[in-house]
Amino acid sequence: DTEVTQTPKHLVMGMTNKKSLKCEQHMGHRAMYWYKQKAKKPPELMFVYSYEKLSINESVPSRFSPECPNSSLLNLHLHALQPEDSALYLCASSQTDFLASNEKLFFGSGTQLSVL
Amino acid sequence: KNEVEQSPQNLTAQEGEFITINCSYSVGISALHWLQQHPGGGIVSLFMLSSGKKKHGRLIATINIQEKHSSLHITASHPRDSAVYICAARLDSNYQLIWGAGTKLIIKP
Repeated sequence: DTEVTQTPKHLVMGMTNKKSLKCEQHMGHRAMYWYKQKAKKPPELMFVYSYEKLSINESVPSRFSPECPNSSLLNLHLHALQPEDSALYLCASSQTDFLASNEKLFFGSGTQLSVL
Repeated sequence: KNEVEQSPQNLTAQEGEFITINCSYSVGISALHWLQQHPGGGIVSLFMLSSGKKKHGRLIATINIQEKHSSLHITASHPRDSAVYICAARLDSNYQLIWGAGTKLIIKP
């Protein structure tokens, strides 16, 4: 199994809603990542989890709250989002942290989020 | 000036043509990634290079460390190759990936 599975594929939410994005991988990877991608732009790193601990937070607003319940799962909890948070949210994983030599990133297909 | 620059931004070609996408960088790197993103979002990692050349099927990636330049080639291009191709440089000083802006490739039948 070389897949990273993200759910839901699409999400529409109001600014007062609370929702969660989910990501799952069963490759035994110990690093998992959340990226945000706006249209026609490259992905921007948001968070990195290494061995289930948050190791990098790229100054992301607190309305985004990551969680890593176990080594296969990564969640992103959303609360009080703004319309400018509308984007594609991508989850990725790699074998170890910090993209060691010869490591590829494995990406999910993303959640397209619209905030109304 | 961006630390990682790709060219061209957009490329349209006929099926069967040989395709070259270029990536130049101005920072010290430990490796360079080439990735493919189809409409609808999913990103696939194609290659990770730290030196020389790698080949997978019709795709070839090369890197010249001295010239700080990498190329992605597609031989016998096909409409299913239509996608955005992105290079991303892994800094040798820390974990960060610096992403290029991407090249949108359209292959016409």
